[in-house]
Amino acid sequence: GENVEQHPSTLSVQEGDSAVIKCTYSDSASNYFPWYKQELGKRPQLIIDIRSNVGEKKDQRIAVTLNKTAKHFSLHITETQPEDSAVYFCAAIGGYNKLIFGAGTRLAVHP
Amino acid sequence: SQTIHQWPATLVQPVGSPLSLECTVEGTSNPNLYWYRQAAGRGLQLLFYSVGIGQISSEVPQNLSASRPQDRQFILSSKKLLLSDSGFYLCAWGQGFSYNEQFFGPGTRLTVL
Repeated sequence: GENVEQHPSTLSVQEGDSAVIKCTYSDSASNYFPWYKQELGKRPQLIIDIRSNVGEKKDQRIAVTLNKTAKHFSLHITETQPEDSAVYFCAAIGGYNKLIFGAGTRLAVHP
Repeated sequence: SQTIHQWPATLVQPVGSPLSLECTVEGTSNPNLYWYRQAAGRGLQLLFYSVGIGQISSEVPQNLSASRPQDRQFILSSKKLLLSDSGFYLCAWGQGFSYNEQFFGPGTRLTVL
């Protein structure tokens, strides 16, 4: 079945720096890759997603890139702010629209 | 617009007691529905998914069961809770095979003592 690996597990940056989180997936048939942000004690929120027919998507300070050949996709956050601190999960779609999640990255942005 | 509800928000139950968690979706019809569990500080594990009334697929063998008695209602149950059932239970919905996005409910935090 589909497997998603996510790195790093923790990431600490200074405010204003960039943060990059990377994921790899195993099922070459996957065609949808969302990213979720989860603040402490709250539900995961969809922040950006990308489909396999594009290589990059941007939304203000966040962007996602996809390399289908290498089966890699990454989340890029620029000009990080303290409110970006959270746990971020990547995921890949499997059969029946099941999402297979990575283990998560705990991002800390220090003022 | 679509809204997803879960209740209760928090629950403390003794080992061996039964469990019933409910999830309902408003503003859409025939959604795909999912139950996930998140252990403290961990990732999201898919437990069950449903593509229609009465249709339930289990992802992992466990002490839990799910039912979908109505189109927009998804229930997670257990006859006898274990300590290892503690966690944050999240219901999610998606519109269907052409629309991949999934959106989570507010979750139920279950503590089994």
